[in-house]
Amino acid sequence: ETGVTQTPRHLVMGMTNKKSLKCEQHLGHNAMYWYKQSAKKPLELMFVYSLEERVENNSVPSRFSPECPNSSHLFLHLHTLQPEDSALYLCASSQDRALNEKLFFGSGTQLSVL
Amino acid sequence: LAKTTQPISMDSYEGQEVNITCSHNNIATNDYITWYQQFPSQGPRFIIQGYKTKVTNEVASLFIPADRKSSTLSLPRVSLSDTAVYYCLVVAYNNNDMRFGAGTRLTVKP
Repeated sequence: ETGVTQTPRHLVMGMTNKKSLKCEQHLGHNAMYWYKQSAKKPLELMFVYSLEERVENNSVPSRFSPECPNSSHLFLHLHTLQPEDSALYLCASSQDRALNEKLFFGSGTQLSVL
Repeated sequence: LAKTTQPISMDSYEGQEVNITCSHNNIATNDYITWYQQFPSQGPRFIIQGYKTKVTNEVASLFIPADRKSSTLSLPRVSLSDTAVYYCLVVAYNNNDMRFGAGTRLTVKP
């Protein structure tokens, strides 16, 4: 148990569906992250939030829309995805973004887009 | 951001010491070296972090030479449960946006 909980663990959706991934951290951290891990590819940093403000968007397509309503919760809203978006989506948190703090990851949501 | 290079895969046997070396030739003065471990269908887990010389914790040791252009993660007496992907990252002191490389897939055999 890392203190970062992601739901659902598995998700299957069609290309026309709208779904959301949820992440909750119980560590009192101020920074939260979304990563994407495709098969046989390195983890890709998608979004970074610090104190509930988005500080980085690594050229992620607009069909991925993050939301951070408070420092404990992070969402990734999905719509009109493509099959190539099938991947493991990982949420992470750290005490602060500016300091060299270690990341705590959730177990991820395995997403399949049909 | 300093790029890292590490072997794609390594095999070992139970009880052996495993050393995984990572190259980071363009590491900056303020960069730290951090290693993570990832099991299938899980997120990466922090193992160890260092700046120079040697760091040891209950899980591993990290050796960093004086020029800091490489680092070696040492896992003592591995077991089957150490089979995982190990990532070497170079992280700037003032920027926690960690970017992972391909990692080293370690397979421990009985």
